[in-house]
Amino acid sequence: EAQVTQNPRYLITVTGKKLTVTCSQNMNHEYMSWYRQDPGLGLRQIYYSMNVEVTDKGDVPEGYKVSRKEKRNFPLILESPSPNQTSLYFCASSFSTRPSGEAFFGQGTRLTVV
Amino acid sequence: AQSVTQLDSQVPVFEEAPVELRCNYSSSVSVYLFWYVQYPNQGLQLLLKYLSGSTLVKGINGFEAEFNKSQTSFHLRKPSVHISDTAEYFCAFLFQREGGSNYKLTFGKGTLLTVNP
Repeated sequence: EAQVTQNPRYLITVTGKKLTVTCSQNMNHEYMSWYRQDPGLGLRQIYYSMNVEVTDKGDVPEGYKVSRKEKRNFPLILESPSPNQTSLYFCASSFSTRPSGEAFFGQGTRLTVV
Repeated sequence: AQSVTQLDSQVPVFEEAPVELRCNYSSSVSVYLFWYVQYPNQGLQLLLKYLSGSTLVKGINGFEAEFNKSQTSFHLRKPSVHISDTAEYFCAFLFQREGGSNYKLTFGKGTLLTVNP
């Protein structure tokens, strides 16, 4: 089954404790991205990756890091989480960013930073 | 600047009533428009998309949308809703990044559709 898998689904952590949210896709997609969803703000792009070892900032990259060492994986790293990073996070992938490339989304990771 | 605006943050309707969720966009270049649905505690799922051709596009679960270039709109409609349609709906716009060959998907802020019995 074609899917994007995020882990964990739920996470509560304390300020300053480094964490990683994993994202994996099994569709051989080149393009992957991370979004955060906040009430009243919709989805905002954090980082994206066009292919292995190619990443770039989205609209709200501050406080986040990513890496793309393999095509299937695109982890999101919070080196020193803060309460304003409490949010619902989604990973997405698509064959390309061209209009015909449908984006597939993971189930989401609800992060709470206390 | 490219942007997408969803005019209603919440839309309550009764079961079997028709519904329209409104979306407007602003763009100076070619447009590619999408509607995504997010059911409670789930990720986003593509409902339908407009890339080119017929301005009336049909999607899953009986939804359809009409691209209106003169009004820069892409409203989502369903003639008769069910309780199971309760979800958040996102309009999204794909545009080409400045000076680049890749595209960016920009989302509206979402419309929460609540279908009541």
